[in-house]
Amino acid sequence: DQQVKQNSPSLSVQEGRISILNCDYTNSMFDYFLWYKKYPAEGPTFLISISSIKDKNEDGRFTVFLNKSAKHLSLHIVPSQPGDSAVYFCAARTSGGYQKVTFGIGTKLQVIP
Amino acid sequence: EPEVTQTPSHQVTQMGQEVILRCVPISNHLYFYWYRQILGQKVEFLVSFYNNEISEKSEIFDDQFSVERPDGSNFTLKIRSTKLEDSAMYFCASAGGNNQPQHFGDGTRLSIL
Repeated sequence: DQQVKQNSPSLSVQEGRISILNCDYTNSMFDYFLWYKKYPAEGPTFLISISSIKDKNEDGRFTVFLNKSAKHLSLHIVPSQPGDSAVYFCAARTSGGYQKVTFGIGTKLQVIP
Repeated sequence: EPEVTQTPSHQVTQMGQEVILRCVPISNHLYFYWYRQILGQKVEFLVSFYNNEISEKSEIFDDQFSVERPDGSNFTLKIRSTKLEDSAMYFCASAGGNNQPQHFGDGTRLSIL
């Protein structure tokens, strides 16, 4: 089941620079997308989401971009901070139903001080 | 900030034994979920629960699994006869509404010997 794909297992970025995490999806029924952050020994923490009727959503240092025609979304973190070092999961769900969320495998971000 | 809490943090059980994983969702949430993550793999949806009944379940959630909300605060996942392949992190999540993001607990690591 590869409905949500994160092709980069890891990413290293210098502190203060931009981090860009990418995600592709194959299920055209997905209409709501989420990013979760996960530290070791903790559960996923909700970060930011975007509905399919938008192409951008911003929350502080975090911006998510959605390109529906390409079935691609990305998370931008600017400026990156060492505390952002974590695994980032892209996730998606369809409307209706009870919000079953489909996760990608995650990208491990390391922000180097 | 309200949290989803899960107990125990680590459960070791002999194969064939029953295990109950416990969760206390955020108090005013109405939608409850279980996910699992086998080591090195994706977070996978198991089941969603709303209005005291299962609303959706995955193919993983077979007859060996059951969920219950025995009182107003707890939400449990029972595995009747555990198998080696049930070893995983099990995450509980809850959401306040149909359009709200799910909030996750820190998980229970289940080890089947």
